[in-house]
Amino acid sequence: DGGITQSPKYLFRKEGQNVTLSCEQNLNHDAMYWYRQDPGQGLRLIYYSQIVNDFQKGDIAEGYSVSREKKESFPLTVTSAQKNPTAFYLCASSWQAGASYNSPLHFGNGTRLTVT
Amino acid sequence: AQTVTQSQPEMSVQEAETVTLSCTYDTSESDYYLFWYKQPPSRQMILVIRQEAYKQQNATENRFSVNFQKAAKSFSLKISDSQLGDAAMYFCAYRSGGYGGSQGNLIFGKGTKLSVKP
Repeated sequence: DGGITQSPKYLFRKEGQNVTLSCEQNLNHDAMYWYRQDPGQGLRLIYYSQIVNDFQKGDIAEGYSVSREKKESFPLTVTSAQKNPTAFYLCASSWQAGASYNSPLHFGNGTRLTVT
Repeated sequence: AQTVTQSQPEMSVQEAETVTLSCTYDTSESDYYLFWYKQPPSRQMILVIRQEAYKQQNATENRFSVNFQKAAKSFSLKISDSQLGDAAMYFCAYRSGGYGGSQGNLIFGKGTKLSVKP
């Protein structure tokens, strides 16, 4: 079955360490997104990529980095520069911009990151 | 910039009753799409319903329907015959339409937590 896989489900890190969250999709979608979810804040866009080898900053990109070397993969690195990294992170994908904007975003199951 | 506002942080409904969740948005665009997503305790984001702004007819999906008022920039979700499994966070989301420069991402409201009482 097609879908988006995020791993791991729970991740624990010490403060000052970089950590990479995995996101893989087999839906053949061109566009991929990373959102952060905090209690009472809804979902906020971190980074997005509409095509391989290209990505753009979202609303809260500071302290994060991404890569898009393959169509299927869009890993997110939470760096030590991110001041409040503890959060729930959701990866999503969709068809390429312009193809069909009423196509919804498909989401992974998320990764809960805890930094102490 | 577009914004989405959900003014009800929490709502409660009796099982089998009807409940309406509110959503308003702000945009200067004429071409856009609106969505309602459900997030149960598992935290999986599930699409409930979608609406194209150019369509006057309100979208319906089984027990879920929307009241789309384009002039008022309002997009409420009505859940009929509420079930215990409807208990979740509900997010309203906006997506720009058209091609050329648009990010394609969704802009989300802060959500409404719906409780269903047996």
